[in-house]
Amino acid sequence: DAKTTQPPSMDCAEGRAANLPCNHSTISGNEYVYWYRQIHSQGPQYIIHGLKNNETNEMASLIITEDRKSSTLILPHATLRDTAVYYCIVIYTGGFKTIFGAGTRLFVKA
Amino acid sequence: DVKVTQSSRYLVKRTGEKVFLECVQDMDHENMFWYRQDPGLGLRLIYFSYDVKMKEKGDIPEGYSVSREKKERFSLILESASTNQTSMYLCASSDRVGEKLFFGSGTQLSVL
Repeated sequence: DAKTTQPPSMDCAEGRAANLPCNHSTISGNEYVYWYRQIHSQGPQYIIHGLKNNETNEMASLIITEDRKSSTLILPHATLRDTAVYYCIVIYTGGFKTIFGAGTRLFVKA
Repeated sequence: DVKVTQSSRYLVKRTGEKVFLECVQDMDHENMFWYRQDPGLGLRLIYFSYDVKMKEKGDIPEGYSVSREKKERFSLILESASTNQTSMYLCASSDRVGEKLFFGSGTQLSVL
């Protein structure tokens, strides 16, 4: 599975968009990009995933670059409850081992 | 929504005890996983199971075993608990291989 690189922490003002970057320069053609988040003392929660097209759901948008070497998770209107650790993961459809890195700790401030 | 339930939120055990951590999922998922999470080390895969009675080692299986006698239940066993097994243990399930994981709330285990 390809490795990912994320900034260790980011700040965002409440109500503004939070843009969380992820580098996955060694991604291969059959690997998906997944995003999870973990709020303190809870298990990780799935947010969104994509292969090569941009994706949007009720929680967030995922923008994947054309070469697929990086992606950005967008929380359009961040709230205080979005303060969490966000994990970017790549995994191929036949892979059991979902490897979680250190993630990005997002602080949403009032 | 999928529900993954871990039997205990907090557990305190003594060194040398045999410890059972139980996990139940209610969506008929084929695959179940046990991770541990430690500060600075992230989540690390201990074992996973892709079918009843089938199991595979993850990245850190030493000191652990697992049991999957029924599809909905996946147990993690610490045969002789040690202090370095103090950690947050997270159970997860997925419908198909490589698809999104659904996690339980975790069990914070302290071994004294």
